[in-house]
Amino acid sequence: SQQGEEDPQALSIQEGENATMNCSYKTSINNLQWYRQNSGRGLVHLILIRSNEREKHSGRLRVTLDTSKKSSSLLITASRAADTASYFCATEKLTGNQFYFGTGTSLTVIP
Amino acid sequence: DTAVSQTPKYLVTQMGNDKSIKCEQNLGHDTMYWYKQDSKKFLKIMFSYNNKELIINETVPNRFSPKSPDKAHLNLHINSLELGDSAVYFCASSPRDEKLFFGSGTQLSVL
Repeated sequence: SQQGEEDPQALSIQEGENATMNCSYKTSINNLQWYRQNSGRGLVHLILIRSNEREKHSGRLRVTLDTSKKSSSLLITASRAADTASYFCATEKLTGNQFYFGTGTSLTVIP
Repeated sequence: DTAVSQTPKYLVTQMGNDKSIKCEQNLGHDTMYWYKQDSKKFLKIMFSYNNKELIINETVPNRFSPKSPDKAHLNLHINSLELGDSAVYFCASSPRDEKLFFGSGTQLSVL
């Protein structure tokens, strides 16, 4: 299965600390994306990294991709209480337009 | 204006009933999807349509039938509802090889 897995399943940190979550997947991909889901809401896209990229930044977000290990990490720096949400990685198959999600990391940022 | 809108937001029904969920996107995307999110937040792709044609049908029971009257709409009809169908169903759309835009979800409860 293409399904990815996030690690850890749950993460609780103090405001101001950094949060790191990891994603592993199984097959070759076009790109890997990270999404955020607030409770009771739809998913919102955060950042996309293509298979030929190794690192990408967007504001307080830093994403790395290691295609040899089939893994990615998402770093949120200087976390805020408003960052509390579930975070999912999604991989797009080489054939395109097929996105498979991981199991999600539930992040709680304590004020 | 909402980019991807799905209705209804909540759907409570009895086992054995037939129900539909509607989805519309005003982003001009060619590809639309249905995802199912279970109680553990695992997000599973169900269907993908590109320009009104079915691309993916991921081992979904044939009680689930997607219908795409045009590329802006992808509706999901479910026959003979079962308890295990209870979940949150998300519609999404995307341009090719780019990020997904999600609707806000339909919480389906089968009693």
